Amino acid sequence: KAGVTQTPRYLIKTRGQQVTLSCSPISGHRSVSWYQQTPGQGLQFLFEYFSETQRNKGNFPGRFSGRQFSNSRSEMNVSTLELGDSALYLCASSFGATGANNEQFFGPGTRLTVL
Amino acid sequence: AQSVTQLGSHVSVSEGALVLLRCNYSSSVPPYLFWYVQYPNQGLQLLLKYTSAATLVKGINGFEAEFKKSETSFHLTKPSAHMSDAAEYFCAVSDRGTYKYIFGTGTRLKVLA
Repeated sequence: KAGVTQTPRYLIKTRGQQVTLSCSPISGHRSVSWYQQTPGQGLQFLFEYFSETQRNKGNFPGRFSGRQFSNSRSEMNVSTLELGDSALYLCASSFGATGANNEQFFGPGTRLTVL
Repeated sequence: AQSVTQLGSHVSVSEGALVLLRCNYSSSVPPYLFWYVQYPNQGLQLLLKYTSAATLVKGINGFEAEFKKSETSFHLTKPSAHMSDAAEYFCAVSDRGTYKYIFGTGTRLKVLA
């Protein structure tokens, strides 16, 4: 079974630009969560989508948005990039929604660098 | 709100020595508990999870964790460290109230030859 895939793996953008990251979950998984990982803040929850609906959202500004398609693939978008948005963005999928005893399967991440 | 505390951002052990990584949670209602490992330039991988079936949980690569409700702890141990165990370890809870996955700040394990 193929794992969680994220594209692109590396991205360099400049301040003010916008970026779209993509995540393909494991086949059959309906939940996709996004996290931002930085050395200073650790792993911060961005949002979770389950069956195309945003089920949960972390404490990030509205510049961060996401969506999930009918095939469970998900995208997250960051508009008006800031230097502080430089991070590793991790996507994780699970069969059921979070809040249950469901393991999350993580992709390798997209490393975003904002110059 | 639920929180997770991992004591020690960096832990060093000698090869063959006991590994002990600490994790405490804050809820009075035991959440679902997990330990994940992250190797360099990779995503996270599940080591083990607490299912309430047993307080001592065995995971992959020889790791185990013991759930102690009285101490609100879920510490991760391995009897004998191997060089390949060098990685960052994250404790996580799945909060039953908010349905959010909350990660600890991580502990980077260094194994000395």
